[in-house]
Amino acid sequence: GESVGLHLPTLSVQEGDNSIINCAYSNSASDYFIWYKQESGKGPQFIIDIRSNMDKRQGQRVTVLLNKTVKHLSLQIAATQPGDSAVYFCAENWSTGFQKLVFGTGTRLLVSP
Amino acid sequence: ETGVTQTPRHLVMGMTNKKSLKCEQHLGHNAMYWYKQSAKKPLELMFVYNFKEQTENNSVPSRFSPECPNSSHLFLHLHTLQPEDSALYLCASSQEQGTEQFFGPGTRLTVL
Repeated sequence: GESVGLHLPTLSVQEGDNSIINCAYSNSASDYFIWYKQESGKGPQFIIDIRSNMDKRQGQRVTVLLNKTVKHLSLQIAATQPGDSAVYFCAENWSTGFQKLVFGTGTRLLVSP
Repeated sequence: ETGVTQTPRHLVMGMTNKKSLKCEQHLGHNAMYWYKQSAKKPLELMFVYNFKEQTENNSVPSRFSPECPNSSHLFLHLHTLQPEDSALYLCASSQEQGTEQFFGPGTRLTVL
């Protein structure tokens, strides 16, 4: 029979635009969050992280925003480039008794020239 | 390169075969992880080793058997797998649990 793949939300942007990828996390006790980028045929690659005592952190062309009130995380990519095309995952660190990363389903970013 | 290598990169096996996946990290990390990534589910944690001791088995069937002989090497022994076990198997390491994890490129496994 036909296999049904995981449906990933997709964000399509033009080169040079700013991109915003959103993530809702589940555990209010999570104390650490990471954004990963996964290109086709590769493992996830660390982009940026943030601890729960912060609400914003900036890197090179990327900014992560954390809203603990509504358990929401976002990744902003400035001046998006075709090389940014990939699947982006957020991950939260469950620190209640045992620490482990729990990943979201991911968002596919497509950047057209 | 992330400093985490995995071999083989691709593996095709029958349901009666026995094979092993290998992971090596060159980062001096103390924690290592196996994840399964399939088309039907998000990234799933399978096993965690911290200082060579298994600290989590996330309800993984016994046909998957991990081994961590030292803090740099992690194996996943496979036997009598099912076609639904076909997936990308990712290894990761971190300095300690709860910190940034570095992933290898994965082994693409196909079970016939």
